[in-house]
Amino acid sequence: EVQLVESGGDLVQPGGSLRLSCAASGFSFSNSWMHWVRQAPGKGLVWVSYINSDGSSTSYADSVKGRFTISRDNAKNTVYLQMSSLRAEDTAVYYCARDKAYAMSVWGQGTTVTVSS
Amino acid sequence: QSALTQPASVSGSPGQSITISCTGTSSDVGAYNFVSWYQHHPGKVPKLMIFEVSNRPSGVSNRFSGSKSGSTASLTISGLQAEDEADYYCSSYTSSDTRVFGGGTRLTVL
Repeated sequence: EVQLVESGGDLVQPGGSLRLSCAASGFSFSNSWMHWVRQAPGKGLVWVSYINSDGSSTSYADSVKGRFTISRDNAKNTVYLQMSSLRAEDTAVYYCARDKAYAMSVWGQGTTVTVSS
Repeated sequence: QSALTQPASVSGSPGQSITISCTGTSSDVGAYNFVSWYQHHPGKVPKLMIFEVSNRPSGVSNRFSGSKSGSTASLTISGLQAEDEADYYCSSYTSSDTRVFGGGTRLTVL
């Protein structure tokens, strides 16, 4: 069964840091591009970042560029999102997703990040 | 990276057809055939319904279809059913090698 399981969400103070993880199973992770997408409370889906299969290429939304870093460990079938200089507007459910033909074909259940003092 | 433009809400009666539009620019929807659509029931995980403008993943009902004209993509749902009531989002690849979502459309089945 294809599965993505996110973890690492927490309550963090403004200016703080957090690392999210997404563990993959049931498909060829090392051949898959991966995305992070977020949804703030009561708002829509927003694309955050993607990484290609070997980690040599990444891209970010303007709203997180310079603060967030996506990475992966193909030996552990895991993709990460390192978040720093967190702001209240980063509060959201964060989903990881597998890319297929430039679409997000499989989604995890999400992990919640709350930025508040 | 402005969001793609979708109507905030659409509605239809069971059995009817509805269409949701998704308007972008010449740097995203108008430039690439990499438009996808997602169904999201609140509290659940988003589900891919259409990729590459008009392709359906395995298991998605053929009541769902996609198309594109210029910088506007569309999702049509025919034979509306109660379980189709959800939020729908379009997304596109962009010339900046990023992705962009629409603001989302709430579908109400009357």
